[in-house]
Amino acid sequence: NAGVMQNPRHLVRRRGQEARLRCSPMKGHSHVYWYRQLPEEGLKFMVYLQKENIIDESGMPKERFSAEFPKEGPSILRIQQVVRGDSAAYFCASSPPSAGGGYGYTFGSGTRLTVV
Amino acid sequence: DAKTTQPTSMDCAEGRAANLPCNHSTISGNEYVYWYRQIHSQGPQYIIHGLKNNETNEMASLIITEDRKSSTLILPHATLRDTAVYYCIVRVWGTDKLIFGTGTRLQVFP
Repeated sequence: NAGVMQNPRHLVRRRGQEARLRCSPMKGHSHVYWYRQLPEEGLKFMVYLQKENIIDESGMPKERFSAEFPKEGPSILRIQQVVRGDSAAYFCASSPPSAGGGYGYTFGSGTRLTVV
Repeated sequence: DAKTTQPTSMDCAEGRAANLPCNHSTISGNEYVYWYRQIHSQGPQYIIHGLKNNETNEMASLIITEDRKSSTLILPHATLRDTAVYYCIVRVWGTDKLIFGTGTRLQVFP
């Protein structure tokens, strides 16, 4: 039973390019969450998705960032026209449908994005 | 914003118990307390969670005060591999997201 799979592990992009980060949740998990961690800082919530729906995107920057979780395939976090400030570790987590708050998340190993 | 406060850092000798405190004075009745840790720059790892009662699993014990305004994570026999940042999180009722604070950096020394 594989855990949360994120790829690529490391991604280097030049300023202005697009970055696509992929996340495959654990089997049976229908909820996906994306977090960003800047160097030497804590994890910041970005977006929460269920299949084909964005539930909460309160942590997403207003421009250049988008996320999707299609019916088939992994969840994608897309960053257009990357800038140096986007350099960070991006973590994905998944969970089964919540039944009142008692379920924990499982995190992936993250994608380290470096913008040069 | 995170609803918890934790000490910035703590030290613990290898083999001793590590007791990590957390204050969550504004916790609501149906909110759970979760503990995660992040070793170096890996993805956060779930440790334990609780609502009212004390909980124990193979990794740790969670002691929640009767008024639920604070809790303590106990690693009974700390090892060098337990060196990590430990996050105490209150699960926001009605949503599924976890809000991370700054955590406690635990250093286990030989």
